[in-house]
Amino acid sequence: GESVGLHLPTLSVQEGDNSIINCAYSNSASDYFIWYKQESGKGPQFIIDIRSNMDKRQGQRVTVLLNKTVKHLSLQIAATQPGDSAVYFCAEVAAGNKLTFGGGTRVLVKP
Amino acid sequence: DAGVIQSPRHEVTEMGQEVTLRCKPISGHDYLFWYRQTMMRGLELLIYFNNNVPIDDSGMPEDRFSAKMPNASFSTLKIQPSEPRDSAVYFCASSTQGRTEAFFGQGTRLTVV
Repeated sequence: GESVGLHLPTLSVQEGDNSIINCAYSNSASDYFIWYKQESGKGPQFIIDIRSNMDKRQGQRVTVLLNKTVKHLSLQIAATQPGDSAVYFCAEVAAGNKLTFGGGTRVLVKP
Repeated sequence: DAGVIQSPRHEVTEMGQEVTLRCKPISGHDYLFWYRQTMMRGLELLIYFNNNVPIDDSGMPEDRFSAKMPNASFSTLKIQPSEPRDSAVYFCASSTQGRTEAFFGQGTRLTVV
């Protein structure tokens, strides 16, 4: 696959358990914060976003939490499935639609 | 729509050669982004365009890198001369005004030997 051999923090989770992925951001002026998922051999794929004036947003099996006080973003995945195994990136959208990415976390789902 | 299309998927070239990566954004999208993904630096934004105009090229590593967008349906990223440290996966993405979701191509894996 595409794998660039990223040395990333890894989260191992049992199938069916909940996963929590964390990210620290630096730009307080960002308008939106976003989570992307990247599977081997593919480009990043949008999961969910949250506007900077919100602190929680829910999607299908995913919840994003934003704590602006400590500049922290998290993604919670409920009932993790094998198909959730991937690298997850947090990203920010700043003025002018500028999209920048933070570090990634590799999630490994154990059957 | 076929999504964002990048070519080639793989490129192996010798140090010193010119390399051109190509991208076709999703029709109707007015933002186009070029990223580089490496083990050491993760996903770096190199440059992005709005309505074919470069908005921010502060991520372009050095003068060896250049990007153009001659029309709304095509963009190129050129490296001249290429060096081994340019080896990476290069992604193109497009999005539209008012939407946060950017759509990525499959990437071009560049190897400079």
